[in-house]
Amino acid sequence: KAGVTQTPRYLIKTRGQQVTLSCSPISGHRSVSWYQQTPGQGLQFLFEYFSETQRNKGNFPGRFSGRQFSNSRSEMNVSTLELGDSALYLCASSLERAQETQYFGPGTRLLVL
Amino acid sequence: QQPVQSPQAVILREGEDAVINCSSSKALYSVHWYRQKHGEAPIFLMILLKGGEQKGHDKISASFNEKKQQSSLYLTASQLSYSGTYFCGAQVSGGYQKVTFGTGTKLQVIP
Repeated sequence: KAGVTQTPRYLIKTRGQQVTLSCSPISGHRSVSWYQQTPGQGLQFLFEYFSETQRNKGNFPGRFSGRQFSNSRSEMNVSTLELGDSALYLCASSLERAQETQYFGPGTRLLVL
Repeated sequence: QQPVQSPQAVILREGEDAVINCSSSKALYSVHWYRQKHGEAPIFLMILLKGGEQKGHDKISASFNEKKQQSSLYLTASQLSYSGTYFCGAQVSGGYQKVTFGTGTKLQVIP
């Protein structure tokens, strides 16, 4: 089975712009979670989607949003980018819920200038 | 709230043992351990459930102390391949509660 894929792998944006990141889960996995990883902060949970519905949400401002499509693929969007949004954004998929084994993608590294 | 991991970093020589601790301010339902090598995605190591037994595979095992709201990861006779950052994830209740990860413990094994 193919693993979790994320596109793009690298992205450079300027402050104020918006960005959309994409995640394709492992075939058959219905739960997709997003994490922000920065040095010293570890993995910060953004949100989890299941069956096109947001099931859990972390403590991030409303500028961070996501969605899931009927084929379980997920996108996250960050509007009005700030310098502090520079990070590695990881997507993880699991069969039914994030409390099971999560399989992480390689991440999208976002740099905001 | 994020679980607290200790130590933040550790350097070992091949063959030495290490313990990584993960503490929560809230009662834990489950603890999840992942390892991330530099430039790679985190990979799953194990999940420990409330009321469950100590788990392990190969020379990596973990325990879950419900009373102390703490989990410990044990790496025995470390190998170079054990190098990486170890994250613990905590779930404070069952069902569909989110998993909150700690800030990680960077482990380096040297020859």
